[in-house]
Amino acid sequence: AQTVTQSQPEMSVQEAETVTLSCTYDTSENNYYLFWYKQPPSRQMILVIRQEAYKQQNATENRFSVNFQKAAKSFSLKISDSQLGDTAMYFCAFMKLHIQGAQKLVFGQGTRLTINP
Amino acid sequence: NAGVTQTPKFRVLKTGQSMTLLCAQDMNHEYMYWYRQDPGMGLRLIHYSVGEGTTAKGEVPDGYNVSRLKKQNFLLGLESAAPSQTSVYFCASTLGQGPFYSNQPQHFGDGTRLSIL
Repeated sequence: AQTVTQSQPEMSVQEAETVTLSCTYDTSENNYYLFWYKQPPSRQMILVIRQEAYKQQNATENRFSVNFQKAAKSFSLKISDSQLGDTAMYFCAFMKLHIQGAQKLVFGQGTRLTINP
Repeated sequence: NAGVTQTPKFRVLKTGQSMTLLCAQDMNHEYMYWYRQDPGMGLRLIHYSVGEGTTAKGEVPDGYNVSRLKKQNFLLGLESAAPSQTSVYFCASTLGQGPFYSNQPQHFGDGTRLSIL
């Protein structure tokens, strides 16, 4: 079974700073996807970024980027130029690659990020 | 632009009561999922469905039943509610068709906060 661990329950930074959220996972699979989801106080789950394990290049989405270390089973999220609207709970998630059949996401415990003005 | 809609948004039940949570999606998605989110934990998969008339167990299915009589609706039932089922429940869906469908992001509803007294 896969497990996902986020070792930072809470983080806090000043607006415009850069922050990195950590995520490690355990799997015996070789092909899989990794995701970061954002959950603001509104409770909505929003996909921030995703990474395919077979791609060596780290995914980027505007101010969000990841550092994917497959051998170390590490998947950290970097937020550059942080904004007040980035305040949220962030979840790391793992999904085994399925040829067919439903996706089954395995989530970490979450990191509560607060951006201070 | 409804997406995934969950009904109700809040509910308080007494131990032993029954209720049904409704999830409706208007995106013609094949796959639908029910998760629960507890404090200090990420989302955990309860049940899922890969199409109308089909359901399957997820990670934490005990105490819940589901039905997918119509493609657009996925119902989660609690036959005899217990305090341990106090949680926030999320529904999600994915298209589940076409090339690389396993790579499609899950679309989440806004959650239902359920308290069992």
